[in-house]
Amino acid sequence: ETGVTQTPRHLVMGMTNKKSLKCEQHLGHNAMYWYKQSAKKPLELMFVYNFKEQTENNSVPSRFSPECPNSSHLFLHLHTLQPEDSALYLCASSLQRETYNEQFFGPGTRLTVL
Amino acid sequence: QQQVKQSPQSLIVQKGGISIINCAYENTAFDYFPWYQQFPGKGPALLIAIRPDVSEKKEGRFTISFNKSAKQFSLHIMDSQPGDSATYFCAASIGAGSYQLTFGKGTKLSVIP
Repeated sequence: ETGVTQTPRHLVMGMTNKKSLKCEQHLGHNAMYWYKQSAKKPLELMFVYNFKEQTENNSVPSRFSPECPNSSHLFLHLHTLQPEDSALYLCASSLQRETYNEQFFGPGTRLTVL
Repeated sequence: QQQVKQSPQSLIVQKGGISIINCAYENTAFDYFPWYQQFPGKGPALLIAIRPDVSEKKEGRFTISFNKSAKQFSLHIMDSQPGDSATYFCAASIGAGSYQLTFGKGTKLSVIP
């Protein structure tokens, strides 16, 4: 596997379920991100981890819980979600430097909350 | 003030034609403007980026034009091909090394033969 991989690619869950999204990067990057992509809305940055430390949390509801056990893996734990949380969840990674920070995206997990 | 407004929402262009996508921003602190390309079933990928010290940047058939005084920038795709059919996102950040990218809503481009 190369680049940024995400599993599962599709997920359907009820509002009372607990599930987790997984992201893995094989690029030797030091930063990892979770984004939410909804139709006709801009990509929304949810969380950023740099060297496993969370550096950004853009006012995301507590029903989304990120975990970064090492610089190659990122998880998004989901519980008691709402139907409006249905979206494409994208993971990205980057080799963050002061003057350059190109983000590489995975293919996303299409989440449907019933 | 953090918004980046992108237009049009969708665009249909004949093969060989020029595709033009426009973006406007309010925050004068933005100083890095990338464009991302997203194909169906894939994540966005960086296409081309510009800093405000230049008014134009060209890479192959793709050109960014930047107008600092108008706070606008645009993507031009010359000799558009069916393989260019994708969704294009403009973005902006404060500093090229920033974690925070503010994205536009995207433009779905369809290039017809």
